[in-house]
Order: sequence, then C-alpha cells, then structure tokens
Amino acid sequence: GQSLEQPSEVTAVEGAIVQINCTYQTSGFYGLSWYQQHDGGAPTFLSYNALDGLEETGRFSSFLSRSDSYGYLLLQELQMKDSASYFCAVAPTSLHGSSNTGKLIFGQGTTLQVKP
Amino acid sequence: SAVISQKPSRDICQRGTSLTIQCQVDSQVTMMFWYRQQPGQSLTLIATANQGSEATYESGFVIDKFPISRPNLTFSTLTVSNMSPEDSSIYLCSVEQGDTQYFGPGTRLTVL
Repeated sequence: GQSLEQPSEVTAVEGAIVQINCTYQTSGFYGLSWYQQHDGGAPTFLSYNALDGLEETGRFSSFLSRSDSYGYLLLQELQMKDSASYFCAVAPTSLHGSSNTGKLIFGQGTTLQVKP
Repeated sequence: SAVISQKPSRDICQRGTSLTIQCQVDSQVTMMFWYRQQPGQSLTLIATANQGSEATYESGFVIDKFPISRPNLTFSTLTVSNMSPEDSSIYLCSVEQGDTQYFGPGTRLTVL
C-alpha cells in the first residue's frame, strides 16, 4: 500500500521559518512533490525532489531522503499570504518497472496559519 | 506551464442525476488525471485518461459511476453518474509536464 503522513496543523508568526515534514510508505517511488492550496483554490506546484538533498526555490525549499522515506518543506520569511494548506505527494513508479506513472498520491495536508 | 480550464466551475444537482465536467488544456498532453477532493480532505486520484485508450481507474472508482472520455490530446470529460450527496466534492483535472503536475480550477459539486 501507499501512505503519507504529515502534521495536520502548524502555526507560526510572520517572518519566521517553518518546516513541514512528510514521511511516506510506497511500493514504488519516483519523486516527492509539494503543493500549496488556498481556500477555494486549485493546488499549485511548489517543489519537487527526485534525488536526495535540498531544492531551493526562493523562500521555499524542499528536502528528500530516500533512504529514510522522508522529506520536508521549509518556508522562510513567512508572510500572511502563506496561510494555506500544504500537501506532500508521492509520484509512484509503475508496478513492474521504474517509470513515472504521472499520477500523484497525496498526503492529508498541513494547514499553515501565519499570525501577525 | 499548462493552462487548464474546467466547466462548470460549480453546480448544484439533484440526487440520481448525472453531471459531465469538461477539462480543456492549452497544449497537447499524453496523460490527463481526474481527482476528487471531498470537503476538508486531501486529493484522491479517480482515474488516468490517455487519448485513444480506456481510462485507468484507481481502487474504489469504477467506470459505470465515473465514465471518462478523452477524444483528443487537449480535452477530457468526467461524468459523475447517478449522484448521491456523498458525491459532493471538488473535482479537479490535471496534466503532467516534466516533473510538474498542473491542476485546473476545479468543479465544486453539491448534490442535494
């Protein structure tokens, strides 16, 4: 089976740094993605890791450790507009190979509340 | 990045009826995906739609309930059949480009 775990809620203040962790169990793993979703909006892509290490995109960074089946999203210099739900998502491989199926298995999401 | 539109954006339907949701992409893509997001929940993949072949459904979803069409490389439809209040959700289509998946704005469905 496939499962992902992430905290349900995180609260932080403007200007702070917050880390949202994600652990996963999958039968085949191609990569780990992070998505942001504001209330009433569509999920928008933030970051993707296929290999171990840190990927940095502006204020957002994402880390992956394949051996630990673990990743995190790091948000720096928090702003009020960062209040949203954040989802980690695993891209599983095909059942009998290593190719990317294109589909995503999502975690339950972490609601981030940024306070003044 | 892909630009995706969906129609309708929202609808309120009576139980027992069916609704067809349309998804249009501004570029040709091989695979399109349909997800469901129930209120306050995460996204769950319903099926993968490839042009020229039958859609592939995930566990718990069947073609009779969620028939899908994929007539060309830029368009797909998802029908929610014989609706019940449990089908009240946001339905999203998505496409993959590179390692990024892009989502449409979603169709918010309420079944009474």
